This record gives sequence, structure tokens and C-alpha cells, in this order.
Amino acid sequence: DAGVIQSPRHEVTEMGQEVTLRCKPISGHNSLFWYRQTMMRGLELLIYFNNNVPIDDSGMPEDRFSAKMPNASFSTLKIQPSEPRDSAVYFCASSPTGNTEAFFGQGTRLTVV
Amino acid sequence: SQQGEEDPQALSIQEGENATMNCSYKTSINNLQWYRQNSGRGLVHLILIRSNEREKHSGRLRVTLDTSKKSSSLLITASRAADTASYFCATDSNYQLIWGAGTKLIIKP
Repeated sequence: DAGVIQSPRHEVTEMGQEVTLRCKPISGHNSLFWYRQTMMRGLELLIYFNNNVPIDDSGMPEDRFSAKMPNASFSTLKIQPSEPRDSAVYFCASSPTGNTEAFFGQGTRLTVV
Repeated sequence: SQQGEEDPQALSIQEGENATMNCSYKTSINNLQWYRQNSGRGLVHLILIRSNEREKHSGRLRVTLDTSKKSSSLLITASRAADTASYFCATDSNYQLIWGAGTKLIIKP
């Protein structure tokens, strides 16, 4: 297995534009997490899916953020409209179950100018 | 909210020395995990210790867990330059992991 795959690796966009981040979890894992990491706030959980169903989205900062998991092998995190304060590294992670070993993707470094 | 809190926040040691990082948490757990993050990369799982375990080894890594004090320590023996990274502890809470802020470890050649 190639591990958790995220795309793109880097994204630079202008304020107000829509941004879509993509994630392919490890096959067979039933838990998927989206995280955001910044120097100021550290690693923050944005949303957790279990068996493709969003279980906890309390970490999503505001309505500009949305996430979907249409099937077991794909998830997206969308920011619309994007703002400079959204600049961060966004990680996707999957796990066989929610509270065991998590496997992280390489992250998407988002810069909103 | 963060449950795990690592200390120190940063640690700089000479290559070959041992590095010890600590993690404290607030609520009861089923397991505690340690992860490493190299600059610009995703986190990588190092070791998991269950609440009924007190010590666990993996290569040059030694993890201890004291549930009475709600704390854990990660010891890296005979450090190498490649150990330079940030180290995070994560505790389980129901369905998810709760992360600390991490310890930044620098190994000087």
C-alpha cells in the first residue's frame, strides 16, 4: 500500500478563491481525519469520519470549511472562500479504528495570499 | 482541546547522548502513542503503550507510562543526527486521538 495520499502537496491561491484538498486513505481503514497544523496553534483536528460518515466536525473553524467522504477511498476538504489566515499545512490521516495508530499523509501546504 | 502536554518544548543535545521527553495528560486513557514529525513531513507512528503496560521498548526507543501520575516519557538512547525532529504524544479519547504541542528535538553533530 502506498500509504495515505494527499494532493496537491502545495497550493498557493488568492484570497477569496475556492480551495479543494484531496485525500486517499489506506485501503481497509475505516477512520479518516483531517488536521490543520500551524506554528501558533499546533495540530488541530478539523473533522473525523468513520465508515464515510462525519462523526465530529466540531473542529471545523467556520462555515467556509466543508469536508466530504463520498466513498471509502476518497475524501475532500474544501475552503470557500479562502482567507490568508487559512494558510497552514493540512494533513489527512487514516486509521484501522479511530483511536489506534494513525497513518498520516505528507500534507498539503496551503498559502493564501 | 489538547490533552497531552509535552515537555520540554525544545531540547538540544549532542549526538550520542540520550534524549528524554515527557508527556502529561488529564483524563483516563486506553493507550498513549508517540509520533515523530520531520520538518515538512507528516507524522510517523513510533510506539503505542497500553494503559495496563508500564514500559515498552522498540529499538533505541523506550517508553514508560505512569497512569497514577497521568504521564509518559519517551527516551531515545544514543541519539543520532537523524533523530532531529518534533515528537508528539497522543492519547485516545473515545474515537479520536488528542495531541500535545510537541517537543522539538535537535541533535548537534
